[in-house]
Amino acid sequence: EVQLVESGGGLVKPGGSLRLSCAASGFTFSSYSMNWVRQAPGKGLEWVSSISSSSRYIYYADSVEGRFTISRDNAKNSMYLRMNSLRAEDTAVYYCARDLGVRDVVVMGPDYWGQGTLVTVSS
Amino acid sequence: SYELTQPPSVSVSPGQTARITCSGDALPKKYTYWYQQKSGQAPVLVIYEDSKRPSGIPERFSGSSSGTMATLTISGAQVEDEADYYCFSADSSGDHGVFGGGTKLTVL
Repeated sequence: EVQLVESGGGLVKPGGSLRLSCAASGFTFSSYSMNWVRQAPGKGLEWVSSISSSSRYIYYADSVEGRFTISRDNAKNSMYLRMNSLRAEDTAVYYCARDLGVRDVVVMGPDYWGQGTLVTVSS
Repeated sequence: SYELTQPPSVSVSPGQTARITCSGDALPKKYTYWYQQKSGQAPVLVIYEDSKRPSGIPERFSGSSSGTMATLTISGAQVEDEADYYCFSADSSGDHGVFGGGTKLTVL
């Protein structure tokens, strides 16, 4: 069974930093591309970032480019999102989602999702 | 920036067919994915690559795409299908993913 468990969310002040983690199990993590997607309270889904299986290909939404860094450790079956210079508008539930793309191809089509971790940016 | 446009809401009676549309300029060249999100839950993939249905998704869910519009069809909608539905695709360069604004489906 595919399982994705996010962690690392919490309350942070504007301008602060946070690192989210996603622990994967139930599939060959090193074969799949992965995604981060967020959802502000009461709002729709927003794609944040994607990373290919080998980390060769990385993509960011314009809204986070230059502030967020996606990475992965295939030996630990884990993906990360380093978030710097956080703003109030980054407040959201952040979901980790497996991509349908395999072998270093990013399809940008998430199939399995975690339950999300809440990030609140407030003074 | 690239946008996908969905109607904010669709309402049908139980047993009727619900159709949710998603329009975007790059859809003739990019696949569309559809997600169902019930209140307080994570999204669930219901259609991928325009028209394919993942295992475990009821047959009443189907998808199609023609030109710049993709459509999610729920044939014989059930009360339990009430949820927010989102389309998702990539922009023409394939460098950015985009979600539609979401459609609230009411079945009553």
